[in-house]
Amino acid sequence: GAGVSQSPRYKVTKRGQDVALRCDPISGHVSLYWYRQALGQGPEFLTYFNYEAQQDKSGLPNDRFSAERPEGSISTLTIQRTEQRDSAMYRCASSLRARDYSNQPQHFGDGTRLSIL
Amino acid sequence: GQQLNQSPQSMFIQEGEDVSMNCTSSSIFNTWLWYKQEPGEGPVLLIALYKAGELTSNGRLTAQFGITRKDSFLNISASIPSDVGIYFCAGQLIGGTSYGKLTFGQGTILTVHP
Repeated sequence: GAGVSQSPRYKVTKRGQDVALRCDPISGHVSLYWYRQALGQGPEFLTYFNYEAQQDKSGLPNDRFSAERPEGSISTLTIQRTEQRDSAMYRCASSLRARDYSNQPQHFGDGTRLSIL
Repeated sequence: GQQLNQSPQSMFIQEGEDVSMNCTSSSIFNTWLWYKQEPGEGPVLLIALYKAGELTSNGRLTAQFGITRKDSFLNISASIPSDVGIYFCAGQLIGGTSYGKLTFGQGTILTVHP
């Protein structure tokens, strides 16, 4: 479809394993964002990219979390040595370029539900 | 992390009634957005507001960007059963490296009884 695509939809893994979550933005959208959403809460910002450049990673909880977007399209959020507290819905969004005085609306994917056992 | 104060937390209304929810912040935002989320899906954008004082409509939905830039409200007129869902406000601030970051409210759960 034409929306933001995330995979997998569900991921269950044992504590201590590494996981990689994938996001394919809307075609033509150069800005890509990662959020984490706990049950009963709104999404919380993790990081975002313009093209392949990571512009802001202030929301990443610790150095076990990293993200990349090497070709300016698909992005991967990686969590190393997972812990139970990492369990959440991870959402990706994309928009036309975020830039001076021109905030472009962000469009969200359906998310990846991560469960750490 | 920081979140906006959104109220009410939940609403139970009869079909046909009007709905009002609001969002306040201690910080100024340049953009306010309202999203709706249904079970198993991501938030879907309803309305985006870019100027203080702006009043924007989208069908039965009307939203306003507060003059102080620290608040916004969303009204839904003549509610119908398909309005059921969680409504989120989100603020966005231009400045530094924060062009992209959205700060969300806790959500308002709307239930509409036929």
